[in-house]
Amino acid sequence: AQSVTQLGSHVSVSEGALVLLRCNYSSSVPPYLFWYVQYPNQGLQLLLKYTTGATLVKGINGFEAEFKKSETSFHLTKPSAHMSDAAEYFCAVSRSTSGTYKYIFGTGTRLKVLA
Amino acid sequence: ETGVTQSPTHLIKTRGQQVTLRCSSQSGHNTVSWYQQALGQGPQFIFQYYREEENGRGNFPPRFSGLQFPNYSSELNVNALELDDSALYLCASSPWMSSYNEQFFGPGTRLTVL
Repeated sequence: AQSVTQLGSHVSVSEGALVLLRCNYSSSVPPYLFWYVQYPNQGLQLLLKYTTGATLVKGINGFEAEFKKSETSFHLTKPSAHMSDAAEYFCAVSRSTSGTYKYIFGTGTRLKVLA
Repeated sequence: ETGVTQSPTHLIKTRGQQVTLRCSSQSGHNTVSWYQQALGQGPQFIFQYYREEENGRGNFPPRFSGLQFPNYSSELNVNALELDDSALYLCASSPWMSSYNEQFFGPGTRLTVL
């Protein structure tokens, strides 16, 4: 069965500091991986996705993630945090079961950016 | 291009009542999925509709049901509401069914059951 684990339900960084949000997955087949961001009282917005090809994926707002098969990880990073990055971040794996295509989400990491 | 829209934004019901939530998919998208996001949790898959047919469901009881219309908009119905049904309900659409296609999410409907 596929699953997603996000280490750290809350992460605080100073403005300008590196952002690192961790995501590990379990999958018996090559996974399709996604990072979404959720701002307060809003839906989910796609930051980036990994399907095939280059393992370093660049997304919107300066975020990127690296797919590491050997570590079953897909950690999200941003070199310099901005106040506007404060939000909740979800890692998800896409799963196909008998023709149903659904996401399995982690429990989320709330990012706080300190001035 | 209009994104995914959901209505209403907020809803308050009492235990035992029934509720209908609505979703308009993004133009050109024929697949709609519904997710329940409880407070402090990640979204959980409820079910998916493709071309007006249910195309799989998650671990939710039959009192959670849905519809998809010819224009690909969708409804989520919940009967006999329970307190634990209080959550943010997210609708997501995608252009066709594929594991690598991203799903586009609406802003959600916040349901409170008293």
